[in-house]
Amino acid sequence: AQSVSQHNHHVILSEAASLELGCNYSYGGTVNLFWYVQYPGQHLQLLLKYFSGDPLVKGIKGFEAEFIKSKFSFNLRKPSVQWSDTAEYFCAVRTGNQFYFGTGTSLTVIP
Amino acid sequence: NAGVTQTPKFQVLKTGQSMTLQCAQDMNHEYMSWYRQDPGMGLRLIHYSVGAGITDQGEVPNGYNVSRSTTEDFPLRLLSAAPSQTSVYFCASSAYEYQETQYFGPGTRLLVL
Repeated sequence: AQSVSQHNHHVILSEAASLELGCNYSYGGTVNLFWYVQYPGQHLQLLLKYFSGDPLVKGIKGFEAEFIKSKFSFNLRKPSVQWSDTAEYFCAVRTGNQFYFGTGTSLTVIP
Repeated sequence: NAGVTQTPKFQVLKTGQSMTLQCAQDMNHEYMSWYRQDPGMGLRLIHYSVGAGITDQGEVPNGYNVSRSTTEDFPLRLLSAAPSQTSVYFCASSAYEYQETQYFGPGTRLLVL
């Protein structure tokens, strides 16, 4: 079965710190890659996605992610986090008609 | 345009009871799916549908049934609830085109006693 690994389960940062959340997947074929965010009490929202082309993808709210095919990775980054970025972040992979999600990373940003 | 709606928001069941979780979308999306979210497990795909009359199993289909009689609706049925089905359930939809994004509903919290 395919798998998506998020290595950081809980991250605590101060405002203005830089963020990098790791995501690795196991599928060797063609994949689409996503990062979703779930703010407290809300449903999942798309941050960014990668389908093809430039491996550096920019999303909403200053987030970006880099697809490194050789490493099966799709890490999420943000140069300077804000208190409002406190949320849970999920990496997801689509292969064919099925989506696989990572276990999520809980980010807490301290003002 | 309401997007993806789910009812109920909360439900408590006793073991062995049956119920249907409702999901509807008004975006004319062909693809719809159901996930369960459990602590430390992320989201896991239960069932999905690529159009009316077409459904297929996801990663964790046991104990759940689905049907897709219309493009708009994709109900999830628990025929005999078990405590292991205590979870938060999310419905999602997207256009079928390869690059389209999934839109998620607000979720249903289910507690099975």
